[in-house]
Amino acid sequence: DGGITQSPKYLFRKEGQNVTLSCEQNLNHDAMYWYRQDPGQGLRLIYYSQIVNDFQKGDIAEGYSVSREKKESFPLTVTSAQKNPTAFYLCASSMAPRSYNEQFFGPGTRLTVL
Amino acid sequence: QQQVKQSPQSLIVQKGGISIINCAYENTAFDYFPWYQQFPGKGPALLIAIRPDVSEKKEGRFTISFNKSAKQFSLHIMDSQPGDSATYFCAARGTSGSRLTFGEGTQLTVNP
Repeated sequence: DGGITQSPKYLFRKEGQNVTLSCEQNLNHDAMYWYRQDPGQGLRLIYYSQIVNDFQKGDIAEGYSVSREKKESFPLTVTSAQKNPTAFYLCASSMAPRSYNEQFFGPGTRLTVL
Repeated sequence: QQQVKQSPQSLIVQKGGISIINCAYENTAFDYFPWYQQFPGKGPALLIAIRPDVSEKKEGRFTISFNKSAKQFSLHIMDSQPGDSATYFCAARGTSGSRLTFGEGTQLTVNP
């Protein structure tokens, strides 16, 4: 089956710890994205990557870091510098960036800081 | 930050009724306007999308109406069903790349 997988589904973190969220896609998509979802605020873009070994900051990149070493993988690290990390994190991917291509979303990871 | 404003925040409709969700945008460079549907605990999925060269697009019970001069677009769900109960997001994409800007979301409840 083709699609986007995110792991883990639920993640608990103590304050001051870094944590990495996994995102893998087997759709052969060039572009990948990370969003944060909070109640009443929609989806806010954290980082995105349009090609391997390149990525750009979104609207709320502070306290987060990413890497894009492989086309199919785009892990997100939530660092201790992120002051309010509890949220639902969504990964997405799409074909060639400059077209009317649909963004496909993964099932999400719910991060809770204890 | 380019913004997309969505309303209402929540909506309750009786089965068989029409659900209407509205969005407004500021950036005239937006050239693609999708709507996403999200069920609890799941990722959003594309429902329907429109480009600004048409004023309306219909797919089954779902219709997008687009008013370029007013910089507004809306989603109409005809004959709403309990299975339509979900959160709906409008979005817009500019001509400079692939990133989407999302509205705040509308939680739709369709009562039986």
